[in-house]
Formats: sequence, structure tokens, C-alpha cells
Amino acid sequence: AQSVAQPEDQVNVAEGNPLTVKCTYSVSGNPYLFWYVQYPNRGLQFLLKYITGDNLVKGSYGFEAEFNKSQTSFHLKKPSALVSDSALYFCAATAGGSYIPTFGRGTSLIVHP
Amino acid sequence: KAGVTQTPRYLIKTRGQQVTLSCSPISGHRSVSWYQQTPGQGLQFLFEYFSETQRNKGNFPGRFSGRQFSNSRSEMNVSTLELGDSALYLCASSLRGSGRLPGTDTQYFGPGTRLTVL
Repeated sequence: AQSVAQPEDQVNVAEGNPLTVKCTYSVSGNPYLFWYVQYPNRGLQFLLKYITGDNLVKGSYGFEAEFNKSQTSFHLKKPSALVSDSALYFCAATAGGSYIPTFGRGTSLIVHP
Repeated sequence: KAGVTQTPRYLIKTRGQQVTLSCSPISGHRSVSWYQQTPGQGLQFLFEYFSETQRNKGNFPGRFSGRQFSNSRSEMNVSTLELGDSALYLCASSLRGSGRLPGTDTQYFGPGTRLTVL
């Protein structure tokens, strides 16, 4: 069975500091990994995905994520956080021929001015 | 391109009633998935429709059903509503289709329908 873990319910960071939101996965076969962001009262918005190739994936709004196969991780990063980055972040994974992604429980990112 | 639209955005129902939610996918997208989002359970997959057929189903009771029309629009129905059905219901569309590697498509989400059951 596929599973995605986001070990932190909440991440706090000061504006201008680098941020990391953690994600680990457990799937059978090669993983396809995604990050989505959700602002209050909105649906999820796609940020970036890893399918194959370069382990460092760049996405929207200055976010990037690094695929680490040995650690089965796909952490989301940004060099300099903005207050407007405050939102709920979801990591998702698919593998093994499944069309349906498994989502993590989400991490609330709070960026303090 | 217009995004995924969901109607209505908000609904208030009482226990025992039934409800129908609607989703219009991005033009050209043939797959529509439905999710239930609650604070306690997070995002839970309900079902996926592709070419008017249910292709995948999550672990929800039979009170939850759906369908997809020939224009890819989808509806979700919940009968005999319970208090625990209060949630944000999200619809997502993706391309899917022949030649595309399973699981690699990005899902594009609508704003959701907030259902409150009293």
C-alpha cells in the first residue's frame, strides 16, 4: 500500500529565512511525487512534481523540491520565505500503475513578518 | 483556459437529506476525481471517473455515488446525509488517456463545495 508522511503538522519560519516542509513516501516501484498548496477556502494548487530525471525540481512561486531515493524523501524548500507563503502544503505520491495519488495529511506553514 | 468549477460553493443540509454536487473539469480533461477533506481525516479519495465510467473507488459507503457525462462534467451524490458528512468536497480533473503514463498527470482542483450537515 502507498503512504505519504508529512511529519510536521506545522512549520513556523520568519520572513526572509529559508523554509523546508518535509515529506517521506512509501510506494512500490518508481514514485511520482507532487506538491500542492492550499490557501484558506480554496482548492489545492499544483506547485511542482517529480517524474524522472534531475533530482532537484523547480516549481511555482520560487519553490523547489529534492527527490532523495535512498531516504525516500521529497522535501519542499524555498530560499527566502514570504508572509504570503503561509498556507497548507500537501505532498502526494503515485506509483505502480495507479492513477490515484496518495496525499499526506498536510503541513501548515506559517511565515511570521 | 478556464479552471475547474464546482457548484454550489456552499450547502447547508439536515440529516437524512440528500445532496448533489457538480463539477466541470478543465476543457480537454477526461478524468474527474472527487475527494473529501476534513480536519480530522485530511484528504480522502472518493472515486474517479474517466470516459463516463467509474475507474477507481475509495473506501466510502454506498451512500456516496457519482457519475460522469459525455462532456466530462461530473456529479457526486450523497444520500441519507449524516453529521459526519460535513466536509469540503473537492473535485480534480486531469488529462489521463492513452499514451500517458499512469500516475504522472497533474491534478487540477476546483475551489470545493463546503457541505454542512445539521
